[in-house]
Order: sequence, then C-alpha cells, then structure tokens
Amino acid sequence: EPEVTQTPSHQVTQMGQEVILRCVPISNHLYFYWYRQILGQKVEFLVSFYNNEISEKSEIFDDQFSVERPDGSNFTLKIRSTKLEDSAMYFCASSLSGSGNEQFFGPGTRLTVL
Amino acid sequence: ILNVEQSPQSLHVQEGDSTNFTCSFPSSNFYALHWYRWETAKSPEALFVMTLNGDEKKKGRISATLNTKEGYSYLYIKGSQPEDSATYLCAFIPRGSSNTGKLIFGQGTTLQVKP
Repeated sequence: EPEVTQTPSHQVTQMGQEVILRCVPISNHLYFYWYRQILGQKVEFLVSFYNNEISEKSEIFDDQFSVERPDGSNFTLKIRSTKLEDSAMYFCASSLSGSGNEQFFGPGTRLTVL
Repeated sequence: ILNVEQSPQSLHVQEGDSTNFTCSFPSSNFYALHWYRWETAKSPEALFVMTLNGDEKKKGRISATLNTKEGYSYLYIKGSQPEDSATYLCAFIPRGSSNTGKLIFGQGTTLQVKP
C-alpha cells in the first residue's frame, strides 16, 4: 500500500542553523501539507501546497519557513534559522483533493533545536 | 480563533467495553470533519471524512456521527479490543479552507484498552 515517507526521522541542530525536512508524498496525490506538534500541544497546521504554490499558510509559517517541490516526488520544508521553539515533530501529509479526501500522513521528523 | 475540543482527554476501559468520545467544533464555519487514529510510533491514519449534517459512518466496530448545527461529532467503539488502544484525533476544516484542506486538530482522546 502506498505511503508517505519522511527523512530524517530525527534531526538535531543548533539554534540559528538551517534545516531541510524531506517528504515523499503518495505519487498520484495533488495536495501536500506540513503540520507540526510541539510536545504536549495540539497538532497544528503550517502550510498547504497545490499546483506548485502555497495555497494556505498559518501565522506560524513566517519568512523563516519555505516549502518546495523540487522534482516530481519530493516535498521539502526548510527552516532558515532555527529557534529553540521550532523543536517539534513535523508531519508531512498528502491527499488526492483539497478537502473531500482523507490526508495520508508520514511518520514524522522529530526536530530538536539546541 | 477556530478551536476544536475533544473530550475526554484520556480513557481507560476493559476489553469488551464500548466507549465513545466527543469532538466539538465551530458550527457556524463548518466544511468538513475528519477523524484519525494515531498509534504510538506510527503515522496518524484516517478513519472517517464527514461533511453532511446527520452523517453516520462505520468501519468495523468503530462508527461516527456528525451534528453540524450544534457543532459536535461522536466517535463510538463497540466492544473495545487492546488493539484499539491509540489516540483518536478529530480535525475540522473551516469553510474558508474548503479548497486547501487545512486541518484544525483537537488535542485528541487517548484510549487504553486493558485485556
């Protein structure tokens, strides 16, 4: 059964460093998402991406964040200058349509900023 | 601010018990509601996508109902089994995000089923 994959599973970085989190969505899906969960808090939406552009982003998704689909398979989240408060579990998801279909989630990347 | 609340936060039941949890969401701005099951160390997995008031959906021993007028959804598990132990998340899509699919999550209900 097709699944969403994410790499790395755990990333440790120093404050101020750039990180790139990678995702491979399900191949025929058209909508892509990043969510995150800070320990003890709700899963929160970061950004949605369709047709090679951001379709919606949250207030969290400021200029330090960017997303890219560099080829036909990968979907990346870049954090330019990490802060301590960026430490969280980051989940990628994909779906066939914007809202009528379920979203398929990857296993997550745990980002630890020291 | 659009808020989604789930209750209870956690639940411990014996194998064979039936159980239910609640998800509350803003009724005035509803587009869709998703339920996900999230086992430890695994990815959240979709259970149901619900859009119409009065919807009832079923998957095996798990079912869900939706009341968009009053802003709540119930998830029921009949005859709980240890393998049902997981966190159950509901997620709301507001009308303004009908094209993007932005999910606003509740905090989840963690179910533990004791053999």
